[in-house]
Amino acid sequence: NAGVTQTPKFQVLKTGQSMTLQCAQDMNHEYMSWYRQDPGMGLRLIHYSVGAGITDQGEVPNGYNVSRSTTEDFPLRLLSAAPSQTSVYFCASSYSVASDTQYFGPGTRLTVL
Amino acid sequence: GESVGLHLPTLSVQEGDNSIINCAYSNSASDYFIWYKQESGKGPQFIIDIRSNMDKRQGQRVTVLLNKTVKHLSLQIAATQPGDSAVYFCAGILSGGGADGLTFGKGTHLIIQP
Repeated sequence: NAGVTQTPKFQVLKTGQSMTLQCAQDMNHEYMSWYRQDPGMGLRLIHYSVGAGITDQGEVPNGYNVSRSTTEDFPLRLLSAAPSQTSVYFCASSYSVASDTQYFGPGTRLTVL
Repeated sequence: GESVGLHLPTLSVQEGDNSIINCAYSNSASDYFIWYKQESGKGPQFIIDIRSNMDKRQGQRVTVLLNKTVKHLSLQIAATQPGDSAVYFCAGILSGGGADGLTFGKGTHLIIQP
């Protein structure tokens, strides 16, 4: 199993541009989530999904959209990037719920100029 | 609001010594805690977890202690090795926030001295 994969690894955007961060898992996990990590901070939950067709907001959802059309994929969309969204983004998945062991992807480092 | 936090941003220990990393939380309704290890440039890696009906749980060279009375948990690493150098996060499932995900502390950078 590849586990949780994320693309791209690095991305530079200009303010106002849009992009999608990809996340995929091959473990047949129902629960998937997106976190952002800022310097000196722990990870903060952006959005999560408990199964295909179901998404919900986390702690810091503003400026981000998600969808879950399949069990495997959970893309994160930035509709109009802002410098405040410069961060490292991690996708995670677990078997069923947030309290199952969560497996994290390698992260996407995003810089918004 | 609910929070999970670590006491020290940096901890320096001698190779071979035991390391103790501490964490406090603010919500007594928390029922699940996890310790993650994050190496530079990588995603967090699960180390060990503990549920609120337990006081102690042991893994390979690691032990997590949970003191619900003072809302404190700790990660003990025995015989610290160079490969243990990383940032360690405690995280919890905290109820009442309306979000079904993990709440992370800010992390402690464990530095191993030869």
